[in-house]
Amino acid sequence: NAGVTQTPKFQVLKTGQSMTLQCAQDMNHEYMSWYRQDPGMGLRLIHYSVGAGITDQGEVPNGYNVSRSTTEDFPLRLLSAAPSQTSVYFCASAWAVRTTYEQYFGPGTRLTVT
Amino acid sequence: SQELEQSPQSLIVQEGKNLTINCTSSKTLYGLYWYKQKYGEGLIFLMMLQKGGEEKSHEKITAKLDEKKQQSSLHITASQPSHAGIYLCGAVYLYAGGTSYGKLTFGQGTILTVHP
Repeated sequence: NAGVTQTPKFQVLKTGQSMTLQCAQDMNHEYMSWYRQDPGMGLRLIHYSVGAGITDQGEVPNGYNVSRSTTEDFPLRLLSAAPSQTSVYFCASAWAVRTTYEQYFGPGTRLTVT
Repeated sequence: SQELEQSPQSLIVQEGKNLTINCTSSKTLYGLYWYKQKYGEGLIFLMMLQKGGEEKSHEKITAKLDEKKQQSSLHITASQPSHAGIYLCGAVYLYAGGTSYGKLTFGQGTILTVHP
């Protein structure tokens, strides 16, 4: 198993550009989520999904869109990048019902918006 | 205000010393995750606690969830330079629609430095 994979690892955007951060998992997990990590603020939830076709907003959803057409993939779209979206983005996945409930995190995407 | 507060925000210790990191919630915890993160890398799962009073250990790291389920502590015995990194707690809460397993609330992290 590859676990949770994220691409790209690094990205630099200009203000106003759009892009998609990719996230994929090969563990057949129902739950997938996107977090952003900023210094001194831990991780904050952007969007999450409890299964294919079902998504909902987290704590900081503005400026981001998601969709979940398959169990495996959960892309995060930045519609019009702003400097405030400079951050490290983590994708995570988990089973809905398991005894261990471990949340698996991807390696992260470091995004800079100039 | 933060729903989940970690303390201290940073910690510098000499190798061999014991240390404790606390994670305090403003609401009753249904579950609590501890993760470790090396700078520039992803999160490494340490352990997850669910029941009040539960205690788990992994190598020299022990985590407890207090009986009233609003605080967890992470204790490292005889710290080593390999323990250095950022420690994050992530909370699971119970709400009307179920639990928040797929959408954790994180503390702001504790930066641990261990001097050899």
